[in-house]
Amino acid sequence: QVQLQESGPGLVKPSETLSLICTVSGGTISSFYWTWVRQPPGKGLEWVGYIYYSGSTNYNPSLKSRVTISVDTSKNQFSLRLSSVTAADTAVYYCARGGYDDGEYYYYHMDVWGKGTTVSVSS
Amino acid sequence: IVLTQTPLSSLVTLGQPASISCRSSQTLVHRDGNTYLSWLQQRPGQPPRLLIYKSSNRFSGVPDRFSGSGAGTDFTLKISRVEPEDVGVYYCMHSTQFPHSYTFGQGTKLEI
Repeated sequence: QVQLQESGPGLVKPSETLSLICTVSGGTISSFYWTWVRQPPGKGLEWVGYIYYSGSTNYNPSLKSRVTISVDTSKNQFSLRLSSVTAADTAVYYCARGGYDDGEYYYYHMDVWGKGTTVSVSS
Repeated sequence: IVLTQTPLSSLVTLGQPASISCRSSQTLVHRDGNTYLSWLQQRPGQPPRLLIYKSSNRFSGVPDRFSGSGAGTDFTLKISRVEPEDVGVYYCMHSTQFPHSYTFGQGTKLEI
């Protein structure tokens, strides 16, 4: 059974860079899409970006200039970096498996989620 | 693409049905013929959980009181008989194929 676990600092200072890691256990990272989704306090879900296991990425246009997602297949991990953070970036950050594509069979729904990690931006 | 859910909040009686609508600003049918519209449930204090994928397919382990329907721009999540554990926020979500991206509806809060 695949499980995802987010890790990283719970507090980041304004203008600094938020860095999170998602560790995938119980399954392979290959042929899957891996995503980050965030949820500000009391608000809805916002897609941040995804990375395909091969390294291709796409980001939410509203965050694109500040977001970098990378993958380390040897460690079964993928990471999020969000630069120049402000209080508006305070949220619960979830990593999720966002689909599968091996060239023959594919799907694009988010079927596995981590428990989420709370990140606060404050001085 | 903008996904608009209605209602934003719903108060239902235990054992009674519930229905949530998700309307898209444009058709969600992909060039491969599939419609990548999902429904997620988020119980209080929990991460989201996949209920329905490709508009009407129930995900593994999801009770059969949950059903999804719709095509084109209009989609519906129905709960045939609401149970206490159904309290939470429900989101519709669309995935595009090329370029690959995701969009969420604003969420519908279900209360009993």
